[in-house]
Amino acid sequence: AQSVTQLGSHVSVSEGALVLLRCNYSSSVPPYLFWYVQYPNQGLQLLLKYTTGATLVKGINGFEAEFKKSETSFHLTKPSAHMSDAAEYFCAVSDSNYQLIWGAGTKLIIKP
Amino acid sequence: NAGVTQTPKFQVLKTGQSMTLQCAQDMNHEYMSWYRQDPGMGLRLIHYSVGAGITDQGEVPNGYNVSRSTTEDFPLRLLSAAPSQTSVYFCASSFISSTSRNEQFFGPGTRLTVL
Repeated sequence: AQSVTQLGSHVSVSEGALVLLRCNYSSSVPPYLFWYVQYPNQGLQLLLKYTTGATLVKGINGFEAEFKKSETSFHLTKPSAHMSDAAEYFCAVSDSNYQLIWGAGTKLIIKP
Repeated sequence: NAGVTQTPKFQVLKTGQSMTLQCAQDMNHEYMSWYRQDPGMGLRLIHYSVGAGITDQGEVPNGYNVSRSTTEDFPLRLLSAAPSQTSVYFCASSFISSTSRNEQFFGPGTRLTVL
């Protein structure tokens, strides 16, 4: 069965520092992987996705993620954190029945 | 396009009361789903539908009913509210295809408190 693990329920970085949010997955089929962001008191919106092809995926707001099959990982990064990046981030994998399997989420805290 | 809309935004119920959370989408998506979000537990799928007249259970269906009479609407009914159903509820919709693989669009959520 597919599963998603997000390491760290909370991650704190200083403004201007590198953001790294970790996501590992297990999948019995070639994975389609998603990162969603949820700003306070809002719904989720798609940040980026990996389907096939290029393993480095660029998303909105300067975020990118790299699909590493050998490590079963899809970590999310941003070179320089901004206060507006404070939000909760969810990683998800699409299973063989097209259902999304969700990670538990990581709250990103930005220190001024 | 309004996207996915949900009403109400907030609701307080007493134990045993029933209510319906509304969800509508204007993107002609065949797939619609309901999730609940609780702290530290991510999103848990309650029910989903792959088209009008077709619904199925997700991970946590007990205490909830759904129906899908049109492509646009997918209401979630709480039959007899319990404090354990206090949560934030999200509706989502998508196309299902081998290329989109269920990339979902979310509504703004309904925050429900059951006393």
